[in-house]
Amino acid sequence: AQSVTQPDIHITVSEGASLELRCNYSYGATPYLFWYVQSPGQGLQLLLKYFSGDTLVQGIKGFEAEFKRSQSSFNLRKPSVHWSDAAEYFCAVGELSGNEKLTFGTGTRLTIIP
Amino acid sequence: EPEVTQTPSHQVTQMGQEVILRCVPISNHLYFYWYRQILGQKVEFLVSFYNNEISEKSEIFDDQFSVERPDGSNFTLKIRSTKLEDSAMYFCASWGNEKLFFGSGTQLSVL
Repeated sequence: AQSVTQPDIHITVSEGASLELRCNYSYGATPYLFWYVQSPGQGLQLLLKYFSGDTLVQGIKGFEAEFKRSQSSFNLRKPSVHWSDAAEYFCAVGELSGNEKLTFGTGTRLTIIP
Repeated sequence: EPEVTQTPSHQVTQMGQEVILRCVPISNHLYFYWYRQILGQKVEFLVSFYNNEISEKSEIFDDQFSVERPDGSNFTLKIRSTKLEDSAMYFCASWGNEKLFFGSGTQLSVL
C-alpha cells in the first residue's frame, strides 16, 4: 500500500525567505504525486502535480516541486515566501488505476514571521 | 475554475442521530469521493464512487456510512447513527482533468 511521510510537522519561515517542505512516499509503481494547500477553515487547493516527464514541476502561487525517484521524494519549494503562504501543506500520492484515490501525508503547518 | 459545492458548511448533531452531508460534484466528472479530516490529523480516504456504485471504501467506512447519487447532480454521505468520533471535517471531491477537486468541506460536530 502507498504511504506518504511529511517529516516536518511545523515550519516557521521569515517573509521573503526561501522554503522547502519535505515529502517522502512509498509506492510500488510509478507514483502520481500532488501537493495541496489548506488555509484555515478552507478546503484543499491543488498547488501542483507530477505524473510523468520533467521531474521539476511548476505550480500555482510560485511553488515548484522536484520528483526524485532515487530518494522517493517530492519536496515542495518556493524561493521567497509571502505572509499569505501561511497554511497547512499536504503531500499526496495517487493510485491512478481507474479509482484515482489519494493517500495524504500528515501535513506541514507553515508559519510566516515578519 | 469549476467548483465542488458542499452543504451545509457546519452541522451539529446529537450522538445517535442520522446526518446527511450533501455535495454537488463538477458536472462532467465521473469519479466522486468522500474524505474526512479529524481536527489536527491528516486527510483520510473514506469512499470512492463510480458508475452509481462504490468502487472502493476504507476501513473507516463501516455499515454506519452510506453514499448515494440520488439524481444527476447530488452526491450524499449518510451517517446513520453518529458517534462522537465521527466529528470531523468531511470533504467531497470529484476527479477530472487529471486532478482531484475538493469542496470546502462540512464541519460535523457530534455532541
